[in-house]
Amino acid sequence: GNSVTQMEGPVTLSEEAFLTINCTYTATGYPSLFWYVQYPGEGLQLLLKATKADDKGSNKGFEATYRKETTSFHLEKGSVQVSDSAVYFCALHYNQGGKLIFGQGTELSVKP
Amino acid sequence: SAVISQKPSRDICQRGTSLTIQCQVDSQVTMMFWYRQQPGQSLTLIATANQGSEATYESGFVIDKFPISRPNLTFSTLTVSNMSPEDSSIYLCSVLGGAPGDNGYTFGSGTRLTVV
Repeated sequence: GNSVTQMEGPVTLSEEAFLTINCTYTATGYPSLFWYVQYPGEGLQLLLKATKADDKGSNKGFEATYRKETTSFHLEKGSVQVSDSAVYFCALHYNQGGKLIFGQGTELSVKP
Repeated sequence: SAVISQKPSRDICQRGTSLTIQCQVDSQVTMMFWYRQQPGQSLTLIATANQGSEATYESGFVIDKFPISRPNLTFSTLTVSNMSPEDSSIYLCSVLGGAPGDNGYTFGSGTRLTVV
């Protein structure tokens, strides 16, 4: 079946470090891929998305490229800030109205 | 994107009781979903709330335990029935669309439930 696997956390980085959170998926066809972020005590917010192979989603300095050949959608940021501390979820879905399938989430902690 | 108001934001309940969570959306939406996020875990879809018909439940979730109402296109409720400590989780409402040209998912801020 369809699934999403993320690297385990927690990930602890110093401010201004480079961030990579790995995400791979198992799916047939061409799902859309998403990254969501959950700040402490808050709900989920869409961070970025990509709807087809080779698309790059970007927002707030974060980027992720839809790699069909490696079934991956790794999240990257060149220089993290303390305010980026949150839990990050990779997710996929097929077509409009299809349910979202989430990875297990990766907690990021950025120290000053 | 749509704006969701979810209530209550948190509650502490006695085992054996029930809690009803409300989800109000500021625009009409076709698709509404209820998710559960157990401590330290990812989000799992409980059911899709269908306007005017019964909800569609995912494997492992049943209507008797999680009855859902969807009286109109802007409102839904999820009830967690006969609660046990294992039901302690964050419950999130989500909608698809809600604004012209919006084809994304929006999530409520969640209800943090603790069962004692």
